[in-house]
Amino acid sequence: AQSVTQPDIHITVSEGASLELRCNYSYGATPYLFWYVQSPGQGLQLLLKYFSGDTLVQGIKGFEAEFKRSQSSFNLRKPSVHWSDAAEYFCALGGGGNKLTFGTGTQLKVEL
Amino acid sequence: NAGVTQTPKFQVLKTGQSMTLQCAQDMNHEYMSWYRQDPGMGLRLIHYSVGAGITDQGEVPNGYNVSRSTTEDFPLRLLSAAPSQTSVYFCASRERGGSTDTQYFGPGTRLTVL
Repeated sequence: AQSVTQPDIHITVSEGASLELRCNYSYGATPYLFWYVQSPGQGLQLLLKYFSGDTLVQGIKGFEAEFKRSQSSFNLRKPSVHWSDAAEYFCALGGGGNKLTFGTGTQLKVEL
Repeated sequence: NAGVTQTPKFQVLKTGQSMTLQCAQDMNHEYMSWYRQDPGMGLRLIHYSVGAGITDQGEVPNGYNVSRSTTEDFPLRLLSAAPSQTSVYFCASRERGGSTDTQYFGPGTRLTVL
């Protein structure tokens, strides 16, 4: 069975500080991995995705993520957080067929 | 393209009532899915479809029915609503396989069952 763990339920950072959101996965084959962001009352927006190749993936809004097979991780990073980045972030694992397995989300708060 | 659209945005039902959540996409995507989002639980797959006339169950299918008569539409039916079905529902679609294996989400329907 495939699963995704986001160990941090809430994270607070100061504006301008760096950010790292953790994501660990369990899957028996090469995973497809995604990070989505959800602003309050909105749907999910895709930030970035990893399918294969370069393990450092660039996304929108200045986000990047690094796939580390040895650690079963796909952590999301941003060098300098903006107040508008406050939202909930979901890591997701794409397995066979149409199945996307989501983590429980990390709520990001940005202090001004 | 409008992408994935969902109606209604908000709905309040009484226990035992039935209703249909509508989902449509104009991207000619073969795959469509319904998820529910509950606090602290992320998104969970309810039902999905890999093409017109083909549907299958996801993680939490009980209490929900779906059908896929056209490529564009994938309605979700609640036959007899229960308070446990209070949630935010998201519809998603994607192309088949390869580097386009990315789901596009609708804006969601917030359902409250009293």
